[in-house]
Amino acid sequence: NAGVTQTPKFQVLKTGQSMTLQCAQDMNHNSMYWYRQDPGMGLRLIYYSASEGTTDKGEVPNGYNVSRLNKREFSLRLESAAPSQTSVYFCASSESGGAPLYGYTFGSGTRLTVV
Amino acid sequence: ELKVEQNPLFLSMQEGKNYTIYCNYSTTSDRLYWYRQDPGKSLESLFVLLSNGAVKQEGRLMASLDTKARLSTLHITAAVHDLSATYFCAVDSLIQGAQKLVFGQGTRLTINP
Repeated sequence: NAGVTQTPKFQVLKTGQSMTLQCAQDMNHNSMYWYRQDPGMGLRLIYYSASEGTTDKGEVPNGYNVSRLNKREFSLRLESAAPSQTSVYFCASSESGGAPLYGYTFGSGTRLTVV
Repeated sequence: ELKVEQNPLFLSMQEGKNYTIYCNYSTTSDRLYWYRQDPGKSLESLFVLLSNGAVKQEGRLMASLDTKARLSTLHITAAVHDLSATYFCAVDSLIQGAQKLVFGQGTRLTINP
């Protein structure tokens, strides 16, 4: 089925380790997003890419970097993981050109634990 | 800064009862969305509300939007156990030149038999 694919689904890291979360969409969407979800706080925007070749910080960017590899792929990197980055990470994509009429499509999430 | 607030955050109710979840937001919005999330799962889109006075219904759920009051409601009619989940509203707005989706905290709904 078409949609947003995230890998891995689960990951345990030690403090200080690095890793990259992968996200790919096959809907020809221009805009892509990374969110983190923590209990009681809803989803918060980490970084977004309005179009291929551009990336910008969201609400909680500290400790993360992103790469928009091409139109399909948007990766999130933790250079030196900290326990505060234990969370569920969601990638999303949307049409471009203003508020998407059909909304945003979310991936299945990556559950990351930093010990 | 766009803020989105939901209430209540936790709701436990009996099957067959009616209830409403409220979503307030602080600035002008282009769109308002309602999502459902089951434990350990991703977000499922329920409704997209596009304009003032919009009302959408799907089964026992009905969502409405009042842009003048900056308020959206999700009404549950004759609740059934299968509706137990966490419900999020999210507001889509142009912020600093880019379209962004800002979420409420979520309402954890538990429906007891």
